[in-house]
Amino acid sequence: EADIYQTPRYLVIGTGKKITLECSQTMGHDKMYWYQQDPGMELHLIHYSYGVNSTEKGDLSSESTVSRIRTEHFPLTLESARPSHTSQYLCASSTGTGQETQYFGPGTRLLVL
Amino acid sequence: KNQVEQSPQSLIILEGKNCTLQCNYTVSPFSNLRWYKQDTGRGPVSLTIMTFSENTKSNGRYTATLDADTKQSSLHITASQLSDSASYICVVSDRGSTLGRLYFGRGTQLTVWP
Repeated sequence: EADIYQTPRYLVIGTGKKITLECSQTMGHDKMYWYQQDPGMELHLIHYSYGVNSTEKGDLSSESTVSRIRTEHFPLTLESARPSHTSQYLCASSTGTGQETQYFGPGTRLLVL
Repeated sequence: KNQVEQSPQSLIILEGKNCTLQCNYTVSPFSNLRWYKQDTGRGPVSLTIMTFSENTKSNGRYTATLDADTKQSSLHITASQLSDSASYICVVSDRGSTLGRLYFGRGTQLTVWP
C-alpha cells in the first residue's frame, strides 16, 4: 500500500464555493500529479510538479490551480466550483528517476450541485 | 496521435475461471507498459511493468505479455477470485519527454461472480 493520502474522500458542495483538495505523500517523492477521471473513462493529467516550487499544467485544461510549497504536499484548489467540475480527482507521486511507477492516492469524489 | 485501446470494455466470469484482457497502443517512442488494478472508489495500483525488451512478466496470478512489434499487450488472470473484481487499466509511457508522459486506456471492468 502506497503512503499517499487524499482528503476529503467525498465532497458535495454548492456552485460558486471555493474548495481545496488535499494530497500528501510520505515517500519523499519529487514528482507529484493530479488526474481527473470520469466514470468509465481514462485518467487525464491536469497538473504536475517536478518538485518544490514547480507546477505545470497537464494535458487536460482545468480551471483548478495547484501549489507545491513542501515536497510532501500538493493541494489542488478550485476558486469557484461549478457542476462541470463534478468528477473524481486522483493524486499520484513518483520518484522521478526515469522508469518510475506512479503511486496513486484513493481519490476524492467531488459533486458540485 | 498517441492512444491506448483496451478490450473488452467489460467482462463477467465465474470464480475460478481464467480470463485475458487486451491492450493495443500507438504510443511512440515507447518506453514501458504497465497494468494497473483499480478497485471501485480507490486509486490504481501497479500490477506489472514491462520495457521494450521484456515480453512477459508475472505477479502472482497475473501474467502480462508484450509484443512491441505489433504494439499489443495482454493481461492473463488465472484462477480468478472475487477480489479480482475491479477495473484493469493499461498505461503506456513514452520516451519523448522528461516527464515520461503516461497514456491511459479506459480500462476493462472485470466482474467475478461466485
